[in-house]
Amino acid sequence: ETVLTQSPGTLSLSPGESATLSCRASRSVSSGFLAWYQQRGGQAPRLLIYGASSRATGIPDRFSGSGSGTDFTLTITRLEPEDFAVYYCQQYGRSSEMYTFGQGTRLEIK
Amino acid sequence: DVQLLESGGASVQPGGSLRLSCEASGFSFDHFAMNWARQAPGKRPEWVSHVGGDGRAWYADSVKGRFTISRDNSKNTLYLQMNSLRAEDTATYYCAKDGFSNNGVFDFFDYWGQGALVTVSS
Repeated sequence: ETVLTQSPGTLSLSPGESATLSCRASRSVSSGFLAWYQQRGGQAPRLLIYGASSRATGIPDRFSGSGSGTDFTLTITRLEPEDFAVYYCQQYGRSSEMYTFGQGTRLEIK
Repeated sequence: DVQLLESGGASVQPGGSLRLSCEASGFSFDHFAMNWARQAPGKRPEWVSHVGGDGRAWYADSVKGRFTISRDNSKNTLYLQMNSLRAEDTATYYCAKDGFSNNGVFDFFDYWGQGALVTVSS
């Protein structure tokens, strides 16, 4: 089973700054089957990025994903107040055993 | 707009049973695989079960043999029958739609419901 490790655990930034979140896989993620989700307090996760770099419907271009193999990054530019939330990466793929989530990065207001 | 509405969450004793439902709208339900995922308080989400448009099912090891996923395409509804519930099954349960239509991939989740809280406690 692939383990996804996210860093940092908590990131403290101010509105207007840029955030860089990391997701490292213990084994190579095939075909870039890596997604990112945002979860605000008390809400369900919301899809931001799939296929490592494709933005989901309605997601602003301030959010971008990159990476391949074992190292993936979510970048958020020009942070807005509603961006402060918990972010999870997820591996998916051609077998159900590939469904794993990282432990999350909390983005908090400095 | 895609909408997923879960119901059936409750508090139940260990060893008990519960059935969750998820009513879907805004998309061709029978064209997409569907999932149940859960999230314990303060924890990461965890995939629970996946069902293809044809009804074929897959389960996480933690629930295999105790939970059964099913769907009624005529009612646009997804179900999760949960038996032999344990304290560690306590979580908010979400139904979630696969991102792409029947593409042979256990896909990312492009829409999630609002969640149904299941508490297993004596």
